Amino acid sequence: EAGVAQSPRYKIIEKRQSVAFWCNPISGHATLYWYQQILGQGPKLLIQFQNNGVVDDSQLPKDRFSAERLKGVDSTLKIQPAKLEDSAVYLCASSLRLAANNEQFFGPGTRLTVL
Amino acid sequence: AQKITQTQPGMFVQEKEAVTLDCTYDTSDPSYGLFWYKQPSSGEMIFLIYQGSYDQQNATEGRYSLNFQKARKSANLVISASQLGDSAMYFCAMREGTGGSEKLVFGKGTKLTVNP
Repeated sequence: EAGVAQSPRYKIIEKRQSVAFWCNPISGHATLYWYQQILGQGPKLLIQFQNNGVVDDSQLPKDRFSAERLKGVDSTLKIQPAKLEDSAVYLCASSLRLAANNEQFFGPGTRLTVL
Repeated sequence: AQKITQTQPGMFVQEKEAVTLDCTYDTSDPSYGLFWYKQPSSGEMIFLIYQGSYDQQNATEGRYSLNFQKARKSANLVISASQLGDSAMYFCAMREGTGGSEKLVFGKGTKLTVNP
């Protein structure tokens, strides 16, 4: 079974530029998550999808961040314009369904550096 | 308020010995779940073990066990017979929410180094 795929693995941009990350979850997984992990901290949930609907985006900085999962499969996360403090690893995860002990499977992440 | 607290920024253990990584949590929800994830230097998060708040017995998965003390709100990870490959960051996380909006809240992590 293929894991969660993310691209690119690394991205370096200058502040005020825009950037987009792509995630393809494990086949059949209805729930998809985007996390931001700043160096030295644990991951922080940005947005959670159930199929193509948003379940939770309470911690997404909506003035600059957007995400979509149009067909309920793969997803893109966009930052426009980027700030220095957006430098982090962006992790995508998926799970089979929303449930109490439902394990989340993580992708390798995209490391973003904003100069 | 911090919901997951990992008080050990770094831990060292000799190969083949056991090590305990601490985790305390804060919630008023009677139904919750606790997870431990491993993050090697390559960056991916690897699920290790899960404990539900209503589970009567401590969870075990191979060399990993979870010392769940509900009254003290602690969920410490015990790794037995440490191996060099266990060197990594370890994150404790708590599932919050019900009815379709569950999400994981992570602690800041503990860096484990296994010495030969």
